[in-house]
Amino acid sequence: GAVVSQHPSRVICKSGTSVKIECRSLDFQATTMFWYRQFPKKSLMLMATSNEGSKATYEQGVEKDKFLINHASLTLSTLTVTSAHPEDSSFYICSATQGGSYNEQFFGPGTRLTVL
Amino acid sequence: GENVEQHPSTLSVQEGDSAVIKCTYSDSASNYFPWYKQELGKRPQLIIDIRSNVGEKKDQRIAVTLNKTAKHFSLHITETQPEDSAVYFCAASSDSWGKLQFGAGTQVVVTP
Repeated sequence: GAVVSQHPSRVICKSGTSVKIECRSLDFQATTMFWYRQFPKKSLMLMATSNEGSKATYEQGVEKDKFLINHASLTLSTLTVTSAHPEDSSFYICSATQGGSYNEQFFGPGTRLTVL
Repeated sequence: GENVEQHPSTLSVQEGDSAVIKCTYSDSASNYFPWYKQELGKRPQLIIDIRSNVGEKKDQRIAVTLNKTAKHFSLHITETQPEDSAVYFCAASSDSWGKLQFGAGTQVVVTP
């Protein structure tokens, strides 16, 4: 099956610093990647949709200057949390889709971000 | 936009019994309905999905039914086992890029 990796799996940073999270599709070309945020015991909240070579489309209420998304190739998308604060602490998960008539999303293992 | 509601939020069943989770959606243009299983701290895993041109789909102990008219779909797990314990999410998509709207999730606990 399709494999999506995410790095790092866990990161602890100080308030005010920036953190970059990478999402890679290992064995397929991902026309679209998605970034989600998940709070404990809550559902996945879509943050943005990222298409290769285009600007990301952010969901309402998500600050694009705070959460920078880059989709430089068909196998890599990055999420940078800029000037992180404790309220940004969360589980961030990416997913990727091959596009076409099937919309199945393949999820990465997630990144646990803790901002001190 | 799409809104997906999921019930119940928690479900406790005895091993061997069946579990049913129900979801409703708002956008009649939605055409893809996946179900994901997520264990604590892990990624969501697709367990079954259904498209709008199909009313029912089964894969061993798992089945999904779709009622387009009523805009609801359900997950059925038969002969539950302790390893079925997890959080289950339904989702719906009407977007050409495959954007999913997730339900709130159901914590399923299967007791031996």
